[in-house]
Amino acid sequence: GAGVSQSPRYKVAKRGQDVALRCDPISGHVSLFWYQQALGQGPEFLTYFQNEAQLDKSGLPSDRFFAERPEGSVSTLKIQRTQQEDSAVYLCASSPTESYGYTFGSGTRLTVV
Amino acid sequence: QQQVKQSPQSLIVQKGGISIINCAYENTAFDYFPWYQQFPGKGPALLIAIRPDVSEKKEGRFTISFNKSAKQFSLHIMDSQPGDSATYFCAALNDYKLSFGAGTTVTVRA
Repeated sequence: GAGVSQSPRYKVAKRGQDVALRCDPISGHVSLFWYQQALGQGPEFLTYFQNEAQLDKSGLPSDRFFAERPEGSVSTLKIQRTQQEDSAVYLCASSPTESYGYTFGSGTRLTVV
Repeated sequence: QQQVKQSPQSLIVQKGGISIINCAYENTAFDYFPWYQQFPGKGPALLIAIRPDVSEKKEGRFTISFNKSAKQFSLHIMDSQPGDSATYFCAALNDYKLSFGAGTTVTVRA
C-alpha cells in the first residue's frame, strides 16, 4: 500500500482484557518499529523488527506486552490483561533500511476503562 | 529519562511570523536529527532532517540550525501559515532507535 496501515484506529478495552493491534507496513520495508505515545508526549520506542526477527524489545513496558512479525511483513502488538496505564496511542513505523526514512502509521488509540 | 529536551511546550504566532523551536541532547552517539510534524489523529510525518556534520539545512520555509558543540538544534518556520498549526517533535537517532522530544504545539493566528 501507499503508507503504513494500522487497525483498529480506536480500541476501548475493559481493564483485564487482552488486545491485539495490527500493523501493515509499506511493502518491501525491512524494518518495522512500534512506539507508544502517551497523551501530550512524544512517542517512545517499544520494539524493533528486521524482517521477522525481533532485534530489540527493550522498550516493552512489561511482560504483558508481546509483539510478533512471523512472515516479515504484518506485525501484531498484543497486550495482555490491559491496565489503565496502557492507555495511549500505539504507533507503527516502517523503513526500507535499518534506520532513516521512517514512515509512521496513524496509530491505534487504546483506551482502557 | 528524556534524552531530548524540547522547548517551548507551545507557542502562538501571527500569520507571516517566525516560529522557533529548540531542542537539546546529551548522547553524542546520536547521528541523525529529524523533525516531525503531527496533526491530531495522525502519525508523525517527517518534515526535515539534518546530520551532525552540517550546521544548517533549509527546505522551503523550514530551516534546521545545528550546533554540535553545544548539543543543540532548532527548527525555524518562516512565513508561518495557518496550515502549519500542528505539534512539532524533534528527535534524535542512535542506530535504529528514535528518541523524541516532548513536542511543541504551534498555533498560527490568521
